This record gives sequence, structure tokens and C-alpha cells, in this order.
Amino acid sequence: EDQVTQSPEALRLQEGESSSLNCSYTVSGLRGLFWYRQDPGKGPEFLFTLYSAGEEKEKERLKATLTKKESFLHITAPKPEDSATYLCAVTPNSGYALNFGKGTSLLVTP
Amino acid sequence: ETGVTQSPTHLIKTRGQQVTLRCSSQSGHNTVSWYQQALGQGPQFIFQYYREEENGRGNFPPRFSGLQFPNYSSELNVNALELDDSALYLCASSLRKNQETQYFGPGTRLLVL
Repeated sequence: EDQVTQSPEALRLQEGESSSLNCSYTVSGLRGLFWYRQDPGKGPEFLFTLYSAGEEKEKERLKATLTKKESFLHITAPKPEDSATYLCAVTPNSGYALNFGKGTSLLVTP
Repeated sequence: ETGVTQSPTHLIKTRGQQVTLRCSSQSGHNTVSWYQQALGQGPQFIFQYYREEENGRGNFPPRFSGLQFPNYSSELNVNALELDDSALYLCASSLRKNQETQYFGPGTRLLVL
């Protein structure tokens, strides 16, 4: 059965304090791994898609990386507006449904 | 370009009632997926529609049903509501059936009393 585990569940950072969020996955053939950002009471906002081990993508202060077993979302010099829940999801080769982890709740304080 | 829209934004129902939620896909997208997100959890896949046909279903009972219309908009219907159906219901659209990147709407918050 496909499984996605995110850690930590919650993370509190000071503004400018860089860190990484982890997404471990088991899937029967990876079609794609996705990162989304979700603000309270809103729908998830697409950030990145990664397809193969070694792939990296960047957007502003965020950088996503992928290995055969896990993905990292690196946040460099975060700002308070980066506070949100970050969701990781995978799709297997056999389907198109997104299988999500529970998310990491990030709080960045001034 | 218009993004994914959903209606209503909030809804309160009582146990045993029926509810219909609506979704308009992003312009040019022909595939719509529905997800249920309980508080503090990640979204759970309900089903996907491609060109008016159900293209896959998650682990949800038959009282969860859906439709997709020729303009690719979609409805999610839930019969015999239970307290555990209280959640944020999310609609996502994608460009094609085999286009993995799904773009989400703002969601409908359903409360069942």
C-alpha cells in the first residue's frame, strides 16, 4: 500500500532561520511527487512536481529535492509569510490520485 | 485565466440529509478530482472524472457519488450524511487525464450536526 509520512508534524522557526521538511514515501512505482502549501481554511496551492531521483526545483526561498525514498523541502531564510502547512503527495504509476501525507505545520516568527 | 471555483463556501446539514457540492474546473482542464480533508489530516481521494466518466475511486462508500458535465464542471453528492462527513471538500482540476499536476479550488466546508 502506498504510504507518505511527513516530519516533523510542526516546526517553529525564527525569521531567517533555515530548515528542511521531510517527506518519506513508499509507492509501487513513482509517477510523481508533489509539494503543496495550504493556508488555514484554504485549498492547497501547488508548489513543485518532482519525477525522478536527483531532481531539484526552486522557487523563491523554497527548494525541493528527491531521492528514491524521500523528498526534502528546504526553506532558506524564511519570512513570516511562509507560515502555512506544507503537504507532500505521491502518485503511483498505476493511477492519477494524489496520496497525501498529513503535512508539516510551519510557523515563522519575526 | 480563471482558477478552480467551488460553491458553496460553507454548508451546515443534519445527519441523514443529502448534500450537493459544485466545482468549476480551471479553463481548458478536462479532468476533475474530489478530495475530503478532515481537520489536521491530508486530503483523501474520493474519485476522479474525465470527460464525464468516473476514472478512478478511492475508499469511499457508494453514498458518495459524482457527475461531470460537458463543460467539465462537476458535482459531488453525498447521501445519508453522517457526523464523520464533516470536513473540507476539495475539488482539483488537471489539464488532461494523464496530467498529474492538479490545481485545487478553495474548498467547501461541510458541517454535519
